[in-house]
Amino acid sequence: DQQVKQNSPSLSVQEGRISILNCDYTNSMFDYFLWYKKYPAEGPTFLISISSIKDKNEDGRFTVFLNKSAKHLSLHIVPSQPGDSAVYFCAASGGNNNDMRFGAGTRLTVKP
Amino acid sequence: DVKVTQSSRYLVKRTGEKVFLECVQDMDHENMFWYRQDPGLGLRLIYFSYDVKMKEKGDIPEGYSVSREKKERFSLILESASTNQTSMYLCASSFGTGVVHEQFFGPGTRLTVL
Repeated sequence: DQQVKQNSPSLSVQEGRISILNCDYTNSMFDYFLWYKKYPAEGPTFLISISSIKDKNEDGRFTVFLNKSAKHLSLHIVPSQPGDSAVYFCAASGGNNNDMRFGAGTRLTVKP
Repeated sequence: DVKVTQSSRYLVKRTGEKVFLECVQDMDHENMFWYRQDPGLGLRLIYFSYDVKMKEKGDIPEGYSVSREKKERFSLILESASTNQTSMYLCASSFGTGVVHEQFFGPGTRLTVL
């Protein structure tokens, strides 16, 4: 039973436009959320995170929004660039542990 | 710069063989993790370790065991490999407990069991 769900396996956007990747979670104990980016033949790399005490965190072109009541978070990339084409994983962690649960991933393609 | 290395990028084994996947990190991280990545399922946690000689089961530990004899090294063992263990295996490490820290991943080992 997946506790973190990314319901869109793929997303295609035009260069310069906004990319919005979505993630839902079921476990109310989760209080820290992360996004990772993965290129083929490489391990995932950390992109941005948000604590449950916040509802928004921004880092350059990347913004993560958290809606605790809906158990939903989203990653916005503005403007999207071809180099952003990758698989994006949402992850969640809870309590004092550092173990995380990951979603299935969304493959983003940014077309020039 | 954190580095997590995995012993092999590609591995082909036969059903019933004992398989060792090795992971080494060079940043003195307390925590180490093993995941497998499968299409449509994302990353699933197999085992993790908070300290030397300590281990905790993740969500899918069946058919696997782990060993952490030194802080920098975390091994995943498939006692008797089966075809349903064909997958991409990813190792990760992070700093200690209390506050959630980002995990740093190795490049992965693609294991094929014939």
